[in-house]
Amino acid sequence: EPEVTQTPSHQVTQMGQEVILRCVPISNHLYFYWYRQILGQKVEFLVSFYNNEISEKSEIFDDQFSVERPDGSNFTLKIRSTKLEDSAMYFCASSGWTSGDEQFFGPGTRLTVL
Amino acid sequence: AQSVTQLGSHVSVSEGALVLLRCNYSSSVPPYLFWYVQYPNQGLQLLLKYTTGATLVKGINGFEAEFKKSETSFHLTKPSAHMSDAAEYFCAVRGDTGGFKTIFGAGTRLFVKA
Repeated sequence: EPEVTQTPSHQVTQMGQEVILRCVPISNHLYFYWYRQILGQKVEFLVSFYNNEISEKSEIFDDQFSVERPDGSNFTLKIRSTKLEDSAMYFCASSGWTSGDEQFFGPGTRLTVL
Repeated sequence: AQSVTQLGSHVSVSEGALVLLRCNYSSSVPPYLFWYVQYPNQGLQLLLKYTTGATLVKGINGFEAEFKKSETSFHLTKPSAHMSDAAEYFCAVRGDTGGFKTIFGAGTRLFVKA
C-alpha cells in the first residue's frame, strides 16, 4: 500500500540553525501539505502546495518557512533560523486533486530546538 | 471561518462498553468531515470521512459516525470498546478555501479500562 514517508524521524538542532525536513508523498498525488503538532496540542495547518506553488498558508508559515519540491518525488520544509517554539512534530501529507480526497499523513518528524 | 470543537479532552470507557466521542463543527459551506486516530508516537490515520450522500458513515476498526446538519455534529461511535482502541482521536473539517487545508479539533484521548 502506498504511503507517505518522512526523514529524519527525529531532528535535534540548535536555536538559530537551519533545518530541512524531507517528505516523499504518494507518487500520483497532486497536493502536498505540512502540518505541525506542538506537544500536547492539536494538529495545525502550515501550508499546502500544488502545481509547484503554495496554494494556501497559515499565519504560522512566516518568512522563516519555505517549501520546495526539488524533484519529482521529494517535498521539503525548510526553517531558516529555528526558534525554541518551533519544537514540534511536523507531519507531511499528500492527496489527490479534489477537496474530498483523503489526505494521507506521514509518520512525522520530531523537531527539537535547543 | 471553519472550526471544530471536540467535547471532552479525555474519555474513559470500560472494555466492551460503547464509545462516544463528540464533535461539533462550524462551516459556511457544506462540510467535508473526517475522524483521524493517532496512536502514541505515530502519525495520523484516517478512520472515516463524510463528503456527500449517506449521513451514517462506517469506517475502519468498527467505528462509525453520523453527520447531523441540524446539530452541526459528527460524533464518533463504536458499539464495543477494545483495549487496542486507546489512542487520541481528532475530528477535522476540510477548509473551504482553495488550498484544501484540514482544520483539526483539539483531540480526545480515549482510555479503555480492562
